[in-house]
Amino acid sequence: DTGVSQDPRHKITKRGQNVTFRCDPISEHNRLYWYRQTLGQGPEFLTYFQNEAQLEKSRLLSDRFSAERPKGSFSTLEIQRTEQGDSAMYLCASSLNRDGYTFGSGTRLTVV
Amino acid sequence: ILNVEQSPQSLHVQEGDSTNFTCSFPSSNFYALHWYRWETAKSPEALFVMTLNGDEKKKGRISATLNTKEGYSYLYIKGSQPEDSATYLCAHSGAGSYQLTFGKGTKLSVIP
Repeated sequence: DTGVSQDPRHKITKRGQNVTFRCDPISEHNRLYWYRQTLGQGPEFLTYFQNEAQLEKSRLLSDRFSAERPKGSFSTLEIQRTEQGDSAMYLCASSLNRDGYTFGSGTRLTVV
Repeated sequence: ILNVEQSPQSLHVQEGDSTNFTCSFPSSNFYALHWYRWETAKSPEALFVMTLNGDEKKKGRISATLNTKEGYSYLYIKGSQPEDSATYLCAHSGAGSYQLTFGKGTKLSVIP
């Protein structure tokens, strides 16, 4: 297993466009998390799945954001009608329990 | 609302110097404290997970301590090397939740 994979690594989009990111977790990990890091801040929690069920959502996850994990394996994070404030690093992590979270290298989104 | 604070924000040291960083967190509702090292263009790398008051963990030249009663953790690097240059993040997880709350990180630069 090569760890947590995220695609794409970088995405530049025009304001108002929709974007979708993908995360492939470590195969035996049943929990998957999305975080967002903006300039000068630490990563902030967005949402969490256990298998295919979305169990926690942050207030940061506005109605323009939606995350899915349809078969309990990979996950997608979609942002509709992107705004400049959405520019950030989007990190995915997976875990089997609460003692070990493995992060991907992130998708850097730039909204112009 | 949980608030995780890290100090200093950034640090420049000479190769061979030893250094330490601080992470403070609310002492109530505590489950675990995580330390990560994050190098540019890579994924955050897990260093330590600590759960018990008084925990001390060591990995090569890096060690960490935990005080859950007063809500702080120290990370020590002995004999800093240029390859130690990175952002060091701490993250708190509370009882009953799988989300991590991160500090803003300490950016370490080791000058050869």
